[in-house]
Amino acid sequence: DTAVSQTPKYLVTQMGNDKSIKCEQNLGHDTMYWYKQDSKKFLKIMFSYNNKELIINETVPNRFSPKSPDKAHLNLHINSLELGDSAVYFCASANKWGGADGADTQYFGPGTRLTVL
Amino acid sequence: RKEVEQDPGPFNVPEGATVAFNCTYSNSASQSFFWYRQDCRKEPKLLMSVYSSGNEDGRFTAQLNRASQYISLLIRDSKLSDSATYLCVVNSRGSTLGRLYFGRGTQLTVWP
Repeated sequence: DTAVSQTPKYLVTQMGNDKSIKCEQNLGHDTMYWYKQDSKKFLKIMFSYNNKELIINETVPNRFSPKSPDKAHLNLHINSLELGDSAVYFCASANKWGGADGADTQYFGPGTRLTVL
Repeated sequence: RKEVEQDPGPFNVPEGATVAFNCTYSNSASQSFFWYRQDCRKEPKLLMSVYSSGNEDGRFTAQLNRASQYISLLIRDSKLSDSATYLCVVNSRGSTLGRLYFGRGTQLTVWP
């Protein structure tokens, strides 16, 4: 059973194209995230949704648009792809946004390796 | 200053060695602390949470020093399978309670 799944696993595309990455979690979690891991392996948050509501929107170009049709899905659409968008994009989910005990463990999907040519 | 700072390594140790990783964080209001492990070309996975009193899980021991804003991970009797990148992770407090900040990771290679 895959807890957090992403499609596609690999994505190779030309500059200027528009592409989407899909994420689904079957853990019943309320909160989902998108992270970008660049070539230096630094993992940076991009967006977070809690119960379909946007909570975190980092300083990300507006070419990136997340969409959460329901609690179990968080998709990422990227317009006008640029060379610098090449990275691994990870989706993650957590049981809840946070409570008295602080942040919940986040469970990551397998990643989507995006290469922009 | 970055939210979480780690020595990137790499650490290269023989099987059976004891190795320690350190990490510092900048936000004194941070409330939750974790070590994640990331294998090459894989996703990060939770290794262990870090509690104020320190905690142990088999060969792994995590310590937290809130006064110094310092977290450590000790691995005893290293195995080949421990080779990975270890990520120090802390959260923020307040409205962004659920946000996690990841260190750049410390790379460990255990050799036979």
